This record gives sequence, C-alpha cells and structure tokens, in this order.
Amino acid sequence: AQSVTQPDIHITVSEGASLELRCNYSYGATPYLFWYVQSPGQGLQLLLKYFSGDTLVQGIKGFEAEFKRSQSSFNLRKPSVHWSDAAEYFCAGGNRDDKIIFGKGTRLHILP
Amino acid sequence: NAGVTQTPKFRVLKTGQSMTLLCAQDMNHEYMYWYRQDPGMGLRLIHYSVGEGTTAKGEVPDGYNVSRLKKQNFLLGLESAAPSQTSVYFCASSLAGVSYNEQFFGPGTRLTVL
Repeated sequence: AQSVTQPDIHITVSEGASLELRCNYSYGATPYLFWYVQSPGQGLQLLLKYFSGDTLVQGIKGFEAEFKRSQSSFNLRKPSVHWSDAAEYFCAGGNRDDKIIFGKGTRLHILP
Repeated sequence: NAGVTQTPKFRVLKTGQSMTLLCAQDMNHEYMYWYRQDPGMGLRLIHYSVGEGTTAKGEVPDGYNVSRLKKQNFLLGLESAAPSQTSVYFCASSLAGVSYNEQFFGPGTRLTVL
C-alpha cells in the first residue's frame, strides 16, 4: 500500500542551528513528493515539490529537500532556522491519480 | 483574490444535529478537496471533486456527503453529527490533479460535536 511516513513527531532545535526533517515513502513507482508547512491556526502552505529531474529541490523560506531513491526518502533541510520556522511540517506523496497522501506531521520547536 | 475561504470558522454541534460546511475558491480551479485533521493523524481525505457536478470518495467518507453544484463551491455535509466527527476540516483546491499542481488550502473549520 502507498504510504508516507514521518518518523519524528516532534523535533526541537536551537535558533540558528541546522534542521533536517525526515520523510520516507512507499510507492510502486517514483511518486510526486511535497513538503507543506502549517503555522498554528492556519491552513497548509506548499514549501516545495519534486516531480522528476534534479534530486535537490529548492523551496520557499530557504528550505530544500533531497530525493533519494535508494533510501525512499525525501528529507527537508534548512541550514539555519529562525524562530518563525516553528510550525508543523507535512510530507506528502502523490501518484498519477487525483489524490495525495499526507504523513502524520512533524512539529518543529525552536529554542531561543 | 481571496483564495480559498471556508465558512464557518468554528461550530459546536450536539450529537445528531446536521450542518453544512462551505468552501469557496476564486481561482477557477477544477479540483477541490475536503480533509479532516486530527492530532497525530495528519490530514485524511474525506471527499474530492475533479470538476463541477462530480464528487468522489476519499479515505474516510463515512458520515459525510458533498456537492459541487458550482465550480467555485464545494459543500461538505454532516447529516447526523457524531462525537467522532470532532475535528478541524480543511478545504483545498488545485488547478488540476494534485500530482502535478499545488493544492491551496483554506484556513480551516474547527468543529466540536458534543
């Protein structure tokens, strides 16, 4: 069955430190992959997406993600986090149909 | 452009009551979606629509009905609310299939069923 897994429910990092949020997928073929961010009380906003081609994808707000087929992973990274990055992050995967599957989310906490 | 709007923002129901959540988008998107978000569960697809007059079931459709009479509106109905339907509901739209296109989300509706 198709699935998207985010192993970490909560992550805490200090402001200015680097960040990596993990995402693993299980699809028969290479899926389309997304990272969304949800600030408290808000809807979701797309950070970046991967369809094909270059495996390192740049997104908004200084985020990037790397697609690794051998590890079935699509981890999100940022070199230096800001307090405003505190939010919940969702990885999602889609196939050639009309639906995408969301992971359960990782809540990011930032220490001052 | 207002993007995707949802009405109401908050609602409290008693078990057995009915209600309709309204989603509207002004981006001329073909596809619209209803999700529910529960703690630790991520977002789960309830129903979706690939165009005016069409609807399809998602992952958790039981207890909900939808209608897409106009392209810009997607209604989610609860005929007989149950406490298990306490959740935050998000509507989203996309230009076409989400495998190729970004989904735009509304701000959510927080529903409590007592």
